[in-house]
Amino acid sequence: DADVTQTPRNRITKTGKRIMLECSQTKGHDRMYWYRQDPGLGLRLIYYSFDVKDINKGEISDGYSVSRQAQAKFSLSLESAIPNQTALYFCATSDRRTGTDGYTFGSGTRLTVV
Amino acid sequence: TQLLEQSPQFLSIQEGENLTVYCNSSSVFSSLQWYRQEPGEGPVLLVTVVTGGEVKKLKRLTFQFGDARKDSSLHITAAQPGDTGLYLCAGARYQLIWGAGTKLIIKP
Repeated sequence: DADVTQTPRNRITKTGKRIMLECSQTKGHDRMYWYRQDPGLGLRLIYYSFDVKDINKGEISDGYSVSRQAQAKFSLSLESAIPNQTALYFCATSDRRTGTDGYTFGSGTRLTVV
Repeated sequence: TQLLEQSPQFLSIQEGENLTVYCNSSSVFSSLQWYRQEPGEGPVLLVTVVTGGEVKKLKRLTFQFGDARKDSSLHITAAQPGDTGLYLCAGARYQLIWGAGTKLIIKP
């Protein structure tokens, strides 16, 4: 099994629908992140969590919310999806003992909003 | 505004050639990481450089951190089709600051 598992891998949804992307990890890391990737723009941070009770907005949090259900689970929700949220979404983890060294990424969720 | 500029954005070369990818910033980083991403997958960490002037080698890949810890380069010797992918650099401050990536294609 992968260290960081994202579900679903692909999703097509309609404008206005609520959608949840899920992430679970077996790394034992305390820090988890949600990024979106768009061609030419690189990875942009949506939300991050340093432990279960700590949730922080990233640079592009508008239109998104998150929930850290357990140390190993971090979900991302789009409350009312819009077409410009079409992108590749990645969950990542890191260990506070190594700071920002060595993020481990999931395989991504390709989301299309029509 | 991109805090980390990667160049070139796209590079297509023949197998066996050498190439260098650059990652530049006006900001100082505590460390700099290089990742490779293949289609349909997430980025995978290749190396972390921490000390100004540091050079690390990973088989045919050579990574260098600038003396002032503001820039880095990745040099690939005798590129092979298996090197094809998106190469991302990320500088560490409070959070990771990401470059937009260099898409590398190695033609057989």
